[in-house]
Amino acid sequence: GEDVEQSLFLSVREGDSSVINCTYTDSSSTYLYWYKQEPGAGLQLLTYIFSNMDMKQDQRLTVLLNKKDKHLSLRIADTQTGDSAIYFCAVPIYNFNKFYFGSGTKLNVKP
Amino acid sequence: NAGVMQNPRHLVRRRGQEARLRCSPMKGHSHVYWYRQLPEEGLKFMVYLQKENIIDESGMPKERFSAEFPKEGPSILRIQQVVRGDSAAYFCASSPGTASSYEQYFGPGTRLTVT
Repeated sequence: GEDVEQSLFLSVREGDSSVINCTYTDSSSTYLYWYKQEPGAGLQLLTYIFSNMDMKQDQRLTVLLNKKDKHLSLRIADTQTGDSAIYFCAVPIYNFNKFYFGSGTKLNVKP
Repeated sequence: NAGVMQNPRHLVRRRGQEARLRCSPMKGHSHVYWYRQLPEEGLKFMVYLQKENIIDESGMPKERFSAEFPKEGPSILRIQQVVRGDSAAYFCASSPGTASSYEQYFGPGTRLTVT
């Protein structure tokens, strides 16, 4: 099956940029997603990118996709303490019958 | 427009009892996915259903677990004869499942504790 990997932790200072990385193995995925999970809560869809795009910007969020290297990243500009959460990348198989999630990157924002 | 609803939010069961978890998708969504999240881990796919059909249950344990999504009413994930290892957060997500929109919207989860 699909293998989706993320680093487990990231710590940044308030106001800095955060970059969260994800690698995956299935090249047939047409959409790739980023979700945010706050403590004790469900997952909130943040953004997604279509596989024929290299970049997508949405306010403070920038998604970069390197399809050749199967590498996805999420950049958060001007990181705030409210951005502290766990961030998951999610990759569906080609027919969307199944989504694979990374193990999540815990972002800690220090004031 | 209400989001995805799950109930109960917390469920405590003794070993050997049955757990029944409910998920009501967003209005207009006919696709439901169930996931399990163990403490400090990511989400693991369990099953994908459309109304009255199980499309993919490859992530579901072969025994004790079953899921349904009837024509009327919520989707149900049923765990029979629970064991301590079933303790986890169970999330459902719904999707419109159209050609242009496969985003999943998650419910708040049901936290199952088996004592």
